[in-house]
Amino acid sequence: TQLLEQSPQFLSIQEGENLTVYCNSSSVFSSLQWYRQEPGEGPVLLVTVVTGGEVKKLKRLTFQFGDARKDSSLHITAAQPGDTGLYLCAGVEAETSGSRLTFGEGTQLTVNP
Amino acid sequence: NAGVTQTPKFRILKIGQSMTLQCTQDMNHNYMYWYRQDPGMGLKLIYYSVGAGITDKGEVPNGYNVSRSTTEDFPLRLELAAPSQTSVYFCASSYSTPSGNTIYFGEGSWLTVV
Repeated sequence: TQLLEQSPQFLSIQEGENLTVYCNSSSVFSSLQWYRQEPGEGPVLLVTVVTGGEVKKLKRLTFQFGDARKDSSLHITAAQPGDTGLYLCAGVEAETSGSRLTFGEGTQLTVNP
Repeated sequence: NAGVTQTPKFRILKIGQSMTLQCTQDMNHNYMYWYRQDPGMGLKLIYYSVGAGITDKGEVPNGYNVSRSTTEDFPLRLELAAPSQTSVYFCASSYSTPSGNTIYFGEGSWLTVV
């Protein structure tokens, strides 16, 4: 059983379109992070959300943490080919020592010119 | 700015061989981690350490061992390599708990067991 479920697993869109990626769980998280990974490289942190209902924006990317801190979404506006990559959500469960970061399986995004 | 450095970058092992993946960080981080990533998938935590002399199992520790004799180094040992251990391995570090702290990843080590 996957602690963090991401959907969709694959997404292929045209440049200029909008998209939303979801990260869901039945567990409560003290914090949740989004990473972007390009082929041959390690994941790079995009954002951390820690408060239920929190919304953070990073240029065309909008991140939201669910009110109950069990889910999160990533919305990209006017996607560009440079947004292509594997998007990973990762969280620290609230009922733990806080030392373990668990990853979802990722959403592979392809933005076609 | 070295950050997290892993070696080797690529390695091919025969079934039953053993090897050590080296990881060092120069940011004086207390927490270090080893993850593995299978093609097109997320990362699975193998082992982690919250400080020198302290290590704990993650989600998939079987077949691996670690040690943390210094703050800087966190080697991952594979004993009796198996084809199921073919994967990309990432070492990472953070100053403190991953909740609210940035985790920095190395560039990965590609391991193939044949």
